[in-house]
Amino acid sequence: DSGVTQTPKHLITATGQRVTLRCSPRSGDLSVYWYQQSLDQGLQFLIQYYNGEERAKGNILERFSAQQFPDLHSELNLSSLELGDSALYFCASNRRGEGYTFGSGTRLTVV
Amino acid sequence: GQQLNQSPQSMFIQEGEDVSMNCTSSSIFNTWLWYKQDPGEGPVLLIALYKAGELTSNGRLTAQFGTTRKDSFLNISASIPSDVGIYFCAGQLRNFGAGKSTFGDGTTLTVKP
Repeated sequence: DSGVTQTPKHLITATGQRVTLRCSPRSGDLSVYWYQQSLDQGLQFLIQYYNGEERAKGNILERFSAQQFPDLHSELNLSSLELGDSALYFCASNRRGEGYTFGSGTRLTVV
Repeated sequence: GQQLNQSPQSMFIQEGEDVSMNCTSSSIFNTWLWYKQDPGEGPVLLIALYKAGELTSNGRLTAQFGTTRKDSFLNISASIPSDVGIYFCAGQLRNFGAGKSTFGDGTTLTVKP
């Protein structure tokens, strides 16, 4: 157990639907990062939150949004889903100057 | 934006062989990190490097922070089947409250028994 908890582990949904992925960071970590990994692809940075505020944005589609709550857990909302959104979605957290601790990911399948 | 070039893209080696992979950047990083990802799992941090020229080992793994601060290297000695996976390098700038990492595209390692 890395200390970063992601739920659900698997998600299957239809095109056009909306889903919410949840992440609880490691205790004491203020930063949360979301990454997308498609099949045989690298890690694509989506968005970073630090202590409740958006801090950095990557190639995140307008159909996707995220937030970090006062208890520091974060949610990634994916709407109007398309087949191409099928991927592994990872959450990671860290403390300033340290490497990331990743969760085990949510595997999203859009059918 | 910052980009990392990680090579090789994939490696097929025999058990017992040594492995070398590297990462280069067009810009300077303050921290270099190496991760390993097993199939279906999240990446796990292997080694973190914080100073130019630093050489750090973790068991059979050795990584170096390049003196120009634009590159890093990872070596695995005497590979074993459980070394199979994807290895990612990442660079990080130590800005306040930031710490976002830029990742390479990964090196997929296959070890034949």
